[in-house]
Amino acid sequence: GNSVTQMEGPVTLSEEAFLTINCTYTATGYPSLFWYVQYPGEGLQLLLKATKADDKGSNKGFEATYRKETTSFHLEKGSVQVSDSAVYFCALSERGATNKLIFGTGTLLAVQP
Amino acid sequence: EAGVTQSPTHLIKTRGQQVTLRCSPISGHTSVYWYQQALGLGLQFLLWYDEGEERNRGNFPPRFSGRQFPNYSSELNVNALELEDSALYLCASILGGTIYNEQFFGPGTRLTVL
Repeated sequence: GNSVTQMEGPVTLSEEAFLTINCTYTATGYPSLFWYVQYPGEGLQLLLKATKADDKGSNKGFEATYRKETTSFHLEKGSVQVSDSAVYFCALSERGATNKLIFGTGTLLAVQP
Repeated sequence: EAGVTQSPTHLIKTRGQQVTLRCSPISGHTSVYWYQQALGLGLQFLLWYDEGEERNRGNFPPRFSGRQFPNYSSELNVNALELEDSALYLCASILGGTIYNEQFFGPGTRLTVL
């Protein structure tokens, strides 16, 4: 079945450090890929998405590229801020099927000043 | 434009009781998804409603059920509560027919079962 494997956390970084959170997936067909962020005490917010191979999603300085050949969708940011501290979820959805999201386990990011 | 809303925010119940959670999708969205975020288990798909019908359910027992109303709002019912039902329950809505299947999430209802 479809699945998402995500880098284990927690990840602790200093402000302005470079961030990478690895995400790989297993899926039949051509899934859409997403990164969601969950700030403390809140629900999920869509951070970025990519709907086909080689697409790059970007938002708020975060980027991720849909790599079909490596079945990956790694999240990167060049310079993290304390306000980026949150849990990040990688997810996939098979377009045209149920559209349900299959999530990775989440990665807790803690950015220290 | 208002986002997805959920009520109540928090809920405390005891084992064996029943609970109803509510979700109002974004205006114009016709599909509603329910997810459970339990500690240590991550986010799990529960149910999908579209145009008033249950379209798909995840690997949960039948005591998890729900419905969708003509205005596209939705209820999630959980009967015979068990301790492991303690979780954050998230509702998401989607614009039906879109090929980009982006789901918008509500803030969630935190259920504690004692």
